[in-house]
Amino acid sequence: DTGVSQDPRHKITKRGQNVTFRCDPISEHNRLYWYRQTLGQGPEFLTYFQNEAQLEKSRLLSDRFSAERPKGSFSTLEIQRTEQGDSAMYLCASSSPFPGTGELFFGEGSRLTVL
Amino acid sequence: GQQLNQSPQSMFIQEGEDVSMNCTSSSIFNTWLWYKQDPGEGPVLLIALYKAGELTSNGRLTAQFGITRKDSFLNISASIPSDVGIYFCAGQSRGTALIFGKGTTLSVSS
Repeated sequence: DTGVSQDPRHKITKRGQNVTFRCDPISEHNRLYWYRQTLGQGPEFLTYFQNEAQLEKSRLLSDRFSAERPKGSFSTLEIQRTEQGDSAMYLCASSSPFPGTGELFFGEGSRLTVL
Repeated sequence: GQQLNQSPQSMFIQEGEDVSMNCTSSSIFNTWLWYKQDPGEGPVLLIALYKAGELTSNGRLTAQFGITRKDSFLNISASIPSDVGIYFCAGQSRGTALIFGKGTTLSVSS
């Protein structure tokens, strides 16, 4: 399978704990995106990498959130001191570097439940 | 900021019927994408549009990039039970992130 892979698929944690999600993009894609989706809403943009550089961050990405893509391949999204409002599906997507190909291909998501 | 208005919010149709949904934007987009999402899964890309006026088909699905560049529609012909799901439009202006509508939930009864 050469699609976008996310791990874990589900995470249940207690408020105040730290959690980390991993994303492995499609291998030839140099752009990687993190989105958050809550029930009844569309995905909301969090942050974007081109290779290892984090080029854009949404105001939704509070200082408790940090994303990295150290070698320009896989990425991690860490949430520190989780709050109940962080409960959501965290989606990773990747896209091709070629001009005119703006399609984002999504993984299956990591669902976070904060108790 | 940019906003996408997607309608209708939900649709209940009989198998075999045609479906139409649309999105409008407060600003001009360079790209319109349509996705389908099943429960507990990530969105799957259906159709991508890059030019104003462009009409693109993917099987029973047809989508158009509006002439004003502020709207797009998706049609599904001869619906079948596996068309059930949530359909999202998404748009992008140059240099900005892809933003999504709130989705249209489609239910198909056989």
